[in-house]
Amino acid sequence: QKEVEQDPGPLSVPEGAIVSLNCTYSNSAFQYFMWYRQYSRKGPELLMYTYSSGNKEDGRFTAQVDKSSKYISLFIRDSQPSDSATYLCAMINSGGYQKVTFGTGTKLQVIP
Amino acid sequence: EPEVTQTPSHQVTQMGQEVILRCVPISNHLYFYWYRQILGQKVEFLVSFYNNEISEKSEIFDDQFSVERPDGSNFTLKIRSTKLEDSAMYFCATHPAHRSYNEQFFGPGTRLTVL
Repeated sequence: QKEVEQDPGPLSVPEGAIVSLNCTYSNSAFQYFMWYRQYSRKGPELLMYTYSSGNKEDGRFTAQVDKSSKYISLFIRDSQPSDSATYLCAMINSGGYQKVTFGTGTKLQVIP
Repeated sequence: EPEVTQTPSHQVTQMGQEVILRCVPISNHLYFYWYRQILGQKVEFLVSFYNNEISEKSEIFDDQFSVERPDGSNFTLKIRSTKLEDSAMYFCATHPAHRSYNEQFFGPGTRLTVL
């Protein structure tokens, strides 16, 4: 079983739709859960992070973590064409200075 | 806003040649990392570097790879004898080393093409 699994997509939605992106993981030691956004030929950019289980909201973005199910989600409300990018889930054992373990990324296209 | 910079943006080399990829970290950051992303695959951790020594390295980071911070500013990744399978995007990342801070800041990457 892969350490982090993520549906690669691509996912294509109309502007204004709610987008749901998901990852599962197998390593119980992961404590920090993050979502990065990556535009073509650019480095990953941190969108959201959460510590342990729970929800976190930032504008149109909501991150959810369910450690009991080893499942994390990112919801994007009122999606915009500028949200078109690849979204990477990522995890760290403890402490932000530890190595980041990434999912494969889901490519999202928001159509105007 | 401070950012991580990397040079060159694209490096083309012949198999067996040595390459050095350079990164300028954010000035007050103390942890440095290299990750790579083979086309169509996930971003993979290579090595972390703190206090002038390697903190952790992955199984990918074999004897062909080395890192150093030669002048206190640049952070470099050297591949001694490149192979075709080293073709990838290489990302440098940095962290301020405060335990409460979770974000690693990524540079724009160097695209390495080995012919």
